[in-house]
Amino acid sequence: QVQLQESGPGLVKPSETLSLTCTVSGYSISSGYYWGWIRQPPGKGLEWIGSIYHSGSTYYNPSLKSRVTISVDTSKNQFSLKLSSVTAADTAVYYCARNYDILTGLNWGQGTLVTVSS
Amino acid sequence: QSVLTQPPSVSAAPGQKVTISCSGSSSNIGNNYVSWYQQLPGTAPKLLIYDNNKRPSGIPDRFSGSKSGTSATLGITGLQTGDEADYYCGTWDSSLSAGLFGGGTKLTVL
Repeated sequence: QVQLQESGPGLVKPSETLSLTCTVSGYSISSGYYWGWIRQPPGKGLEWIGSIYHSGSTYYNPSLKSRVTISVDTSKNQFSLKLSSVTAADTAVYYCARNYDILTGLNWGQGTLVTVSS
Repeated sequence: QSVLTQPPSVSAAPGQKVTISCSGSSSNIGNNYVSWYQQLPGTAPKLLIYDNNKRPSGIPDRFSGSKSGTSATLGITGLQTGDEADYYCGTWDSSLSAGLFGGGTKLTVL
């Protein structure tokens, strides 16, 4: 049974970089699938941030592309999200997921709330 | 304003059937697969339907998906109070080269 767990700071200052890690258990990232990040501002809907294929190919939301980096560390069975130059608009619950394709989330982490505030 | 349009809310009585629509365009729903998610209060989304009408293992056949042209529909039969949740559609947009989600529909089981 694959499980995903997000980790990282819950509070980030404006203009700084948000960094989150998703630790995967029960499945080896290097074996396949896409691995993605999705966020949900408080009380609002879902927004696709981007995905990475197990081989390393990345796909980003054009609206965030200039600020987003998703990477994989197969040795730790983790993948990560970095979002630079954050503002209050980036305050959200961030979810990681194992994806059936670039977008479709098969298995999800529980989510982690990141607040951008000074 | 989401590119994919869902009704903000729907409601029905226990045991009844409800449908939730998701309207898009030729660049998204019209030429790409649609998925549907259920998000219970305070929890992560859960995949209900992928590739328009396929159910992942463990999803009961009370949940069904269909697509026609630039619209997709999620159907839920035999409604239960435990089905009260927000439901989201999702698809790829070939023009935007981006994944999209609908704005979400809140289901109330009266």
